[in-house]
Amino acid sequence: KAGVTQTPRYLIKTRGQQVTLSCSPISGHRSVSWYQQTPGQGLQFLFEYFSETQRNKGNFPGRFSGRQFSNSRSEMNVSTLELGDSALYLCASSLAGTGHGNTIYFGEGSWLTVV
Amino acid sequence: QKEVEQNSGPLSVPEGAIASLNCTYSDRGSQSFFWYRQYSGKSPELIMSIYSNGDKEDGRFTAQLNKASQYVSLLIRDSQPSDSATYLCAVNTPYTGGFKTIFGAGTRLFVKA
Repeated sequence: KAGVTQTPRYLIKTRGQQVTLSCSPISGHRSVSWYQQTPGQGLQFLFEYFSETQRNKGNFPGRFSGRQFSNSRSEMNVSTLELGDSALYLCASSLAGTGHGNTIYFGEGSWLTVV
Repeated sequence: QKEVEQNSGPLSVPEGAIASLNCTYSDRGSQSFFWYRQYSGKSPELIMSIYSNGDKEDGRFTAQLNKASQYVSLLIRDSQPSDSATYLCAVNTPYTGGFKTIFGAGTRLFVKA
């Protein structure tokens, strides 16, 4: 079956602009999580959505937001982009999200460069 | 103290040797443990999961879990240059809403031909 699909794969934005990234989870998966990965900070958790509700949130400013639709697809938005937002943004999906055996699977990621 | 800790490396081993990657976690209530491999410029891919104390083998990979010591490891036998990557340890840790997945910073592995 198809894996986690993220679009766009690569994008370049200018400081001050906003960006929206999209994620389609594995069919049947209801939980979607977003991560930011930079060389210096590693994999940083942004937020998790389950059944259209944000269930968990990392320590990122309010410029970072997300949502999930009824078909489990998710989007994340970053407003007023800063140079430091340049990173690989990873979406991950899982069946339910909170069980102790829950396994997450990553998409290929969206590479964002802010200039 | 970080919730999941890994030695950042790099860990360098010769081809054919055993690579040993280690991970410790802070929450004794953690239940499930995972190893992901991430090649440069790519996304993490799941290698193995382990839930019970002891060893779990899958091909050249063996995951080891010791909950009493809060320690999980990954052994790669007969290491190949294609195993050169960053290995991420992930732990399902309890919180008020259930369990959440926490990642370590990763260990970079280099296998020299």
